[in-house]
This record gives sequence, structure tokens and C-alpha cells, in this order.
Amino acid sequence: EAGVAQSPRYKIIEKRQSVAFWCNPISGHATLYWYQQILGQGPKLLIQFQNNGVVDDSQLPKDRFSAERLKGVDSTLKIQPAKLEDSAVYLCASSLGTGLSGNEQFFGPGTRLTVL
Amino acid sequence: AQSVTQLDSQVPVFEEAPVELRCNYSSSVSVYLFWYVQYPNQGLQLLLKYLSGSTLVKGINGFEAEFNKSQTSFHLRKPSVHISDTAEYFCAVSDNFGNEKLTFGTGTRLTIIP
Repeated sequence: EAGVAQSPRYKIIEKRQSVAFWCNPISGHATLYWYQQILGQGPKLLIQFQNNGVVDDSQLPKDRFSAERLKGVDSTLKIQPAKLEDSAVYLCASSLGTGLSGNEQFFGPGTRLTVL
Repeated sequence: AQSVTQLDSQVPVFEEAPVELRCNYSSSVSVYLFWYVQYPNQGLQLLLKYLSGSTLVKGINGFEAEFNKSQTSFHLRKPSVHISDTAEYFCAVSDNFGNEKLTFGTGTRLTIIP
């Protein structure tokens, strides 16, 4: 079974530029998550999708971050414009989304973003 | 809302020695508890989880954890560590209301000394 795919793996940009990350979840997984992991910290949830609807985006900085999940499958996360403090690893995860807590979340390898 | 505290940011352990990584949580509702491992340059992988039932949970790679409701703890243990256990370990919590949202601790870096 293929895992969660993310691209690119690494990205270096100047501040005020824009950047986009792509995620393809495990086939059949209804729920998709984007996390931000700053160096030395645990992952922080940015946004959670159930199929193509947003379940939770309370910690997404909406003035600069946006995300969409086309047709309830793959997803893109965009930052525009980027700030220095956005330097982090952006993790995508997916789960079955049966509505039962305790389902395992499967994580992709992440995209390491460096903002100069 | 829930929160997770991992007091030890780094734990060095000699190879074949036992290890315990500590995790305490705070929540006003019933929770599910998880331990994830992150190897260098990789995503997170589930080690084990506690949903209900026996408070001693066994996971992959010889790890186990014990849920202690009175002490709000979920410490991770392994009786004998190997070089390959070098990684970052994250404790996480979710409520049991069905939204599957995870709140992570800050992580513990386990370093195995040969």
C-alpha cells in the first residue's frame, strides 16, 4: 500500500515570496491533515479536511495561508507572502475518517521550508 | 482543550539499557493517547495507542506504555534499547468525541550511546 506522498521535499524561498506544497493521501482515506512542525517543537495542526470540506482551520493563519482539497483527494497548502517565522517542516497526514477517534494518522515525509 | 507535556527534551541511554520517556497530559474530557516516532528526515510513525481496556499497551519495536489516569500520565518504556531506536518520540492526545484531532507534545530526542 502506497503511503502519503508529499512534494517538494525541500524548498528555499525569500521572505515575501509565495510557495505551495502538495499532498496525496493514502487511497480511500477521507480525512487529511496539514501540520506545521517548527524546529524543536511538536507538530501543530493547521487544517483538517473531511473529504473536501474543512473540519478545523482554527490555527491556520488565514491572512497568508490557504489550503484546498480538490475532489476530496489530494491537497495543496499555500503561503503568500512567506515570513521568516514560516520556516518549518510541513507535514501532511491522512486517516480513514470514520468519525471514530483513535484512528491512526499516517504521515508523509514532510516538506522542509526555509525562508531567508 | 487538551495539552501534552514531555518534560525531557533529550534522553541519552546506553545500548541494551532500559529507557522510559515521560508524558503527562491535561484534559477536561476523556482522551485517547498515542506515541509516535520520527526517524531522521522521515514522517511520524505510530508506535502504540491507548483507546480503552488494559492500561498496559504494547506497540511495535518492543515498546510499551502504561496509561495512568490518576496521574494523567502515559509513559513509554523499552527494556533494552538498540542503536536503531535513535529518533524523536512524540506523545499525543485526542478527545474521544470523534474528530480525530491530535495535540502533540514537544518531543523527546532519544540518543543511544554504543
